[in-house]
Amino acid sequence: GAGVSQSPSNKVTEKGKDVELRCDPISGHTALYWYRQSLGQGLEFLIYFQGNSAPDKSGLPSDRFSAERTGGSVSTLTIQRTQQEDSAVYLCASSLELAGEQFFGPGTRLTVL
Amino acid sequence: GNSVTQMEGPVTLSEEAFLTINCTYTATGYPSLFWYVQYPGEGLQLLLKATKADDKGSNKGFEATYRKETTSFHLEKGSVQVSDSAVYFCALRHRGSTLGRLYFGRGTQLTVWP
Repeated sequence: GAGVSQSPSNKVTEKGKDVELRCDPISGHTALYWYRQSLGQGLEFLIYFQGNSAPDKSGLPSDRFSAERTGGSVSTLTIQRTQQEDSAVYLCASSLELAGEQFFGPGTRLTVL
Repeated sequence: GNSVTQMEGPVTLSEEAFLTINCTYTATGYPSLFWYVQYPGEGLQLLLKATKADDKGSNKGFEATYRKETTSFHLEKGSVQVSDSAVYFCALRHRGSTLGRLYFGRGTQLTVWP
């Protein structure tokens, strides 16, 4: 594909439900990142994956958040037992290498009612 | 720790006005510095970058100079256009153990009127 794609573009869920957000990085990019953009916190880092190395999970706000990257390509961010404060736009980015330019997807807007 | 502070918006200008968006940073060592732009309905895009002190990044008429002495990376454009209306984010990337992550400022909304 031409760029990073994310699905769904919008997700509305009820408090307490689990959600999965998907990211398809640019083909051949070894590094993949998740960020969250919210009114209260701005743009904050969540997690990144680099090749086969253990991911850097230092930005995940709680143990309700997890992410995996299968086959070094597609990634899924899972939020369990969603809370209203999880409402935000979740952005995915990828780069050719860890120190390379990060290309961002259009984001998934999550609304927790 | 690493952090970025940028001027709060919104910033409203008339077409052809001069633009400055201030950005200062806190980091150990010598980070790389970036400006990203988010046009309405689109994803974040890299606008320009600088990787060492005194470097000037430039793109689409925008410029920013990496000033180590003032820990700043202010964004400037001499003559803005309506199409420059967007949200601008200053960011840094540290060269240490957190190499992969970007630290962003809160963003500055720019609106340019014809």
